[in-house]
Amino acid sequence: NAGVTQTPKFRVLKTGQSMTLLCAQDMNHEYMYWYRQDPGMGLRLIHYSVGEGTTAKGEVPDGYNVSRLKKQNFLLGLESAAPSQTSVYFCASSQTGLPSTDTQYFGPGTRLTVL
Amino acid sequence: GEDVEQSLFLSVREGDSSVINCTYTDSSSTYLYWYKQEPGAGLQLLTYIFSNMDMKQDQRLTVLLNKKDKHLSLRIADTQTGDSAIYFCAESRNTDKLIFGTGTRLQVFP
Repeated sequence: NAGVTQTPKFRVLKTGQSMTLLCAQDMNHEYMYWYRQDPGMGLRLIHYSVGEGTTAKGEVPDGYNVSRLKKQNFLLGLESAAPSQTSVYFCASSQTGLPSTDTQYFGPGTRLTVL
Repeated sequence: GEDVEQSLFLSVREGDSSVINCTYTDSSSTYLYWYKQEPGAGLQLLTYIFSNMDMKQDQRLTVLLNKKDKHLSLRIADTQTGDSAIYFCAESRNTDKLIFGTGTRLQVFP
């Protein structure tokens, strides 16, 4: 039981390049989330999904797209990377939505640098 | 507003108690959470409190909630070097989202 895994762990992009971050969970959770973490700030929600085939915008969705084609995977795409997207990206999953006592399980993070 | 605020740093001696504070703005918050983030890792849920509770104790952790002042605190008794991490408070309302605070970096020195 690996929990929540993220691929890759590190990536450096040039401005304008595209990439996809992969999040996978093996807990059969319904809900999945993508956050970004910037220095001196809390985590901010980018997009989330309440089940296979669904996606919804979070607090800071601009410049990102997501897909949830399979229940266990949640992909975060950057179509044209910008230096402002330099950040650490965290994926999380939970069985139920909020508010609840159900915890969100977090992946180890992906550190992305856009030059 | 959606601001959840915390002080940025706290430094304590090993064996002392640590108190990490958090203020939030939305009185409709239903659950409030404390997460711990160790270096290079994701967030780990430490504890939570429901909004109709004043206090919750879980081993070395005590959570106090003052709804009138919208103030939440986490007390860690007998703080150890392994407690050194960033601590985030978070609130959830009647949505599927968590609003995180800015995080407090706790440093424990011998």
